[in-house]
Amino acid sequence: QQQVKQSPQSLIVQKGGISIINCAYENTAFDYFPWYQQFPGKGPALLIAIRPDVSEKKEGRFTISFNKSAKQFSLHIMDSQPGDSATYFCAANAGGTSYGKLTFGQGTILTVHP
Amino acid sequence: NAGVTQTPKFQVLKTGQSMTLQCAQDMNHEYMSWYRQDPGMGLRLIHYSVGAGITDQGEVPNGYNVSRSTTEDFPLRLLSAAPSQTSVYFCASSTPGRNIQYFGAGTRLSVL
Repeated sequence: QQQVKQSPQSLIVQKGGISIINCAYENTAFDYFPWYQQFPGKGPALLIAIRPDVSEKKEGRFTISFNKSAKQFSLHIMDSQPGDSATYFCAANAGGTSYGKLTFGQGTILTVHP
Repeated sequence: NAGVTQTPKFQVLKTGQSMTLQCAQDMNHEYMSWYRQDPGMGLRLIHYSVGAGITDQGEVPNGYNVSRSTTEDFPLRLLSAAPSQTSVYFCASSTPGRNIQYFGAGTRLSVL
């Protein structure tokens, strides 16, 4: 049972465009929602994260939008660049000792064409 | 500062063989985890630990054993490898104070 569902599986965007990746979760105990970025041959690295007490968080060109009632959250990449080409994973956990336990979405392969 | 170090980077096993994937972190993190990454399935938690001597199962623990005798090390053991265990394995560590997991570079395992 996939508790965090991510879409699309792959995404192609032109340089300067907006990339949008969506995730939905089922477990209402989740209270921390990070996005991880992974380049080929590397481990995932934290990109940006949000807690459900805010509806939006922005860091540079990256923004998370969060809808608690719909149990959905999304990543927006503004002014997408070829260097943003990577695999993106949404994730969630329930805090406390669950800090060591992330539930990941299936991943989205983003390709930004120059 | 090495962070999370995984060895080996690549490994090929025959069905039934055993091996240990090594993971070490030098950040004095209490929490450590093992994930496997398969195409179209994201990363799935195998086992995790909240401190030395304490381990628990994740989503896909069958066929894997772990132990944690020190804060720094968290090895993952495959007792009898199966083709279904062909995957990329990632170790991660984190601290209770900051909910950020730091991942190693991964071990790519093929079981023939």
